[in-house]
Amino acid sequence: QVQLQESGPGLVNPSGTLSLTCGVSGGSISSTKWWSWVRQPPGKGLEWIGEIYHSGSTNYNPSLKGRVIISLDTSKNQFSLKLSSATAADTAVYYCARNGDYNLQLWGQGTLVTVSS
Amino acid sequence: QSALTQPPSASGSPGQSVTISCTGTSSDVGGSNYVSWYQQHPGKAPKLMIYGVTERPSGVPDRFSGSKSGNTASLTVSGLQAEDEADYYCSSYAGSNTFYVFGAGTKVTVL
Repeated sequence: QVQLQESGPGLVNPSGTLSLTCGVSGGSISSTKWWSWVRQPPGKGLEWIGEIYHSGSTNYNPSLKGRVIISLDTSKNQFSLKLSSATAADTAVYYCARNGDYNLQLWGQGTLVTVSS
Repeated sequence: QSALTQPPSASGSPGQSVTISCTGTSSDVGGSNYVSWYQQHPGKAPKLMIYGVTERPSGVPDRFSGSKSGNTASLTVSGLQAEDEADYYCSSYAGSNTFYVFGAGTKVTVL
């Protein structure tokens, strides 16, 4: 069965770039149309960040557009998130997910990223 | 501020039913057949419980059901069990500009 695993630095400097990778195991990343990133600040709700199609097309949350880039590496069966100009407001648990038909069908376990000096 | 409005809490005794509402607008819930619900236990990742307003993924008990009327979607948990105590989030596809929006979550307590 398909499993997702987030990885990346747990601490990012203010004004730096937050970079995470989602490794997909148990299936090909090319077999599913869309893959998403979602975040959850401590004690708060969920926020959809953006998604990438298996061909490389992307859609982003308008509130984050301009700071976020999602990319795909089919050779490594993984996709990545970069969020620039990070501030304390970007401190959150970041989840990667496999999309279903307009839903988030399968989630990774999440990784906490703290923006602090 | 979340795009969709959920009550912060709901509760019921074991065996009872609890219904959680999720109110949006005609641009999201009211105009979408793509409302979904997620269950999240403390320290765990969300889990898809309902999609397409009323559909249950394989493995989700039929105690969980979804519905929609106008701009408000609802999740009903019947025959409450201790393991149902969790946070529940609604989400809606809101078109090709906004994409996915969430509610702030409802904490369900089994008394």
